[in-house]
Amino acid sequence: GESVGLHLPTLSVQEGDNSIINCAYSNSASDYFIWYKQESGKGPQFIIDIRSNMDKRQGQRVTVLLNKTVKHLSLQIAATQPGDSAVYFCAENGRNTDKLIFGTGTRLQVFP
Amino acid sequence: DTEVTQTPKHLVMGMTNKKSLKCEQHMGHRAMYWYKQKAKKPPELMFVYSYEKLSINESVPSRFSPECPNSSLLNLHLHALQPEDSALYLCASSQTTGATNYGYTFGSGTRLTVV
Repeated sequence: GESVGLHLPTLSVQEGDNSIINCAYSNSASDYFIWYKQESGKGPQFIIDIRSNMDKRQGQRVTVLLNKTVKHLSLQIAATQPGDSAVYFCAENGRNTDKLIFGTGTRLQVFP
Repeated sequence: DTEVTQTPKHLVMGMTNKKSLKCEQHMGHRAMYWYKQKAKKPPELMFVYSYEKLSINESVPSRFSPECPNSSLLNLHLHALQPEDSALYLCASSQTTGATNYGYTFGSGTRLTVV
């Protein structure tokens, strides 16, 4: 069956350090991946996405890496700031499906 | 307009009440979704509408009834809910191309409490 999971439920980092959040997926037919940030009481906020024909994509302070061989996705946040504190979800969408499936989430805590 | 708007933001209802959640987007997206999210859990897919037709029902109890009046609006009608249905209900939309969906955008959700 389909599942998207995360290795760590909570990640604590010091302000200014880089953060790496990992995600494993099991569906080899997954074609499109998205990272979302969710703050308390709010809906998921799009951070960055990547298609299966790419292995790296960069945004502002964020980078997503995709390793299809081991079905692994990661989100790297450079110079982590207090405003980055939130729960981060990876989500995947298979080709020709209307389903966006979420992983279990990682809480990122940034301390001074 | 790049937002998905959900109303109301908060809703408290009794188990015998009938209420509706509303969702609206004006991005021209042709796929719309309802998700349910319990505390400290990821969003779980409930329903998918594609081109205003219900394409996926993830075995959701019939006390939840979705409706898509047009390409911009999505409703979720609630009736005879249980306290365990209390959750954050999220609406999303995406620009389906028929090959791969992209551009998934979520609303802020409706916090539902069933008493």
